Amino acid sequence: QVQLQESGPGLVQPSQTLSLTCTVSDDSISSGNYCWSWIRQSAGKGLEWIGRIYASGTTNYNPSLRSRVTISIDTSKKQFSLKVRSVTAADTAVYYCARSIAARGDWFDPWGQGILVTVSS
Amino acid sequence: DIVMTQSPDSLAVSLGERATINCQSSQSVLHSSNNMNYLAWYHQKPGQPPKLLIYWAFTRESGVPDRFSGSGSGTDFTLTISSLHAEDVAVYYCQQYYSSPWTFGQGTKVEIK
Repeated sequence: QVQLQESGPGLVQPSQTLSLTCTVSDDSISSGNYCWSWIRQSAGKGLEWIGRIYASGTTNYNPSLRSRVTISIDTSKKQFSLKVRSVTAADTAVYYCARSIAARGDWFDPWGQGILVTVSS
Repeated sequence: DIVMTQSPDSLAVSLGERATINCQSSQSVLHSSNNMNYLAWYHQKPGQPPKLLIYWAFTRESGVPDRFSGSGSGTDFTLTISSLHAEDVAVYYCQQYYSSPWTFGQGTKVEIK
């Protein structure tokens, strides 16, 4: 059973860049059969899909965040990453990474445990 | 974006009784090419990530008890827990994957009466 684990700073200062990494426990990250998403959950906006990446490096982003977000992948390290630039308090949330099956349906399973990121000075 | 609206926001059900959660999408999530509804259900327990219960509106994920069932088509969907167990206390979410950006309902909290 594949496992995903988020890591990164829990506190980011306003206007700075939030950077998170998701480590995948098996080699499925290198397979074109899957895609890898970031999702966040905040009290104000609930669950919000941020974007996804394929092993090929192809990305899709939520238009609401596209101008500030970059997702990248390093299959050799079994990791994919999220960067959110120019953060504000509204970016405070629990950030999850999750997997979906490409060309089948974009439901998410499994999810990482999540990491709370607080934007504050 | 497709807006997903769940009702009720919360409900309290006695153990062994039926719980029904509704989810409405702002546009149809039924794909004409394959006649499938692009709708999933999750539950989330405190301190845990959401867990997939159902996809394609009614297909139970492996290992999910058969007391969980999904129904509906087009814009109106229902998740039913036929006999509530104590471990079913959670927040339940629907999600559409018909059109990007994928969107979630606001959640329905299920408690024991």
